[in-house]
Amino acid sequence: NAGVTQTPKFQVLKTGQSMTLQCAQDMNHNSMYWYRQDPGMGLRLIYYSASEGTTDKGEVPNGYNVSRLNKREFSLRLESAAPSQTSVYFCASIANTGELFFGEGSRLTVL
Amino acid sequence: RKEVEQDPGPFNVPEGATVAFNCTYSNSASQSFFWYRQDCRKEPKLLMSVYSSGNEDGRFTAQLNRASQYISLLIRDSKLSDSATYLCVAYSSASKIIFGSGTRLSIRP
Repeated sequence: NAGVTQTPKFQVLKTGQSMTLQCAQDMNHNSMYWYRQDPGMGLRLIYYSASEGTTDKGEVPNGYNVSRLNKREFSLRLESAAPSQTSVYFCASIANTGELFFGEGSRLTVL
Repeated sequence: RKEVEQDPGPFNVPEGATVAFNCTYSNSASQSFFWYRQDCRKEPKLLMSVYSSGNEDGRFTAQLNRASQYISLLIRDSKLSDSATYLCVAYSSASKIIFGSGTRLSIRP
């Protein structure tokens, strides 16, 4: 019972490099989310996808792009990484009950 | 002002104590509320939903006060394993799920 799977778990980038965080869920949920978590800031929504084929900006979308490849997968791309994007990234999907199920997180450091 | 505000703590209490956290929200359109628990360097996990009538799950009790726009979490007979960060969440729509910054709880033997 995998739930929400994120990869990679850790990544170090240099400023200007690009990378994609992958996320997949096996719970047949329609809506998926990407959050970042910084000390003292709580979780802030980057992008979300209400259903396959749709994506919308959240609170902090600048510097990111997303793709909802199919119902299972929702990826987050950093085109040109900046030190301000050093953070822990969580992917989540939401059940009909309103419960969010999170992946284990991806710890990104941008030097 | 943050939409969902919590006292960051840390709350440091002895095992067996009762501890309570409050959380205030500013968006009166918020419909649903939750408490999540997050262990150090782990993902958040649902602790309990919060209902208007209040609800209890074992040693945990959650209350919602819509008039004053706050929710609370009470932990009775605290255990060492309760040490974690507790996140308050207000849900207005699928695109508007707002997390508080979390309250750190440390239970000492």
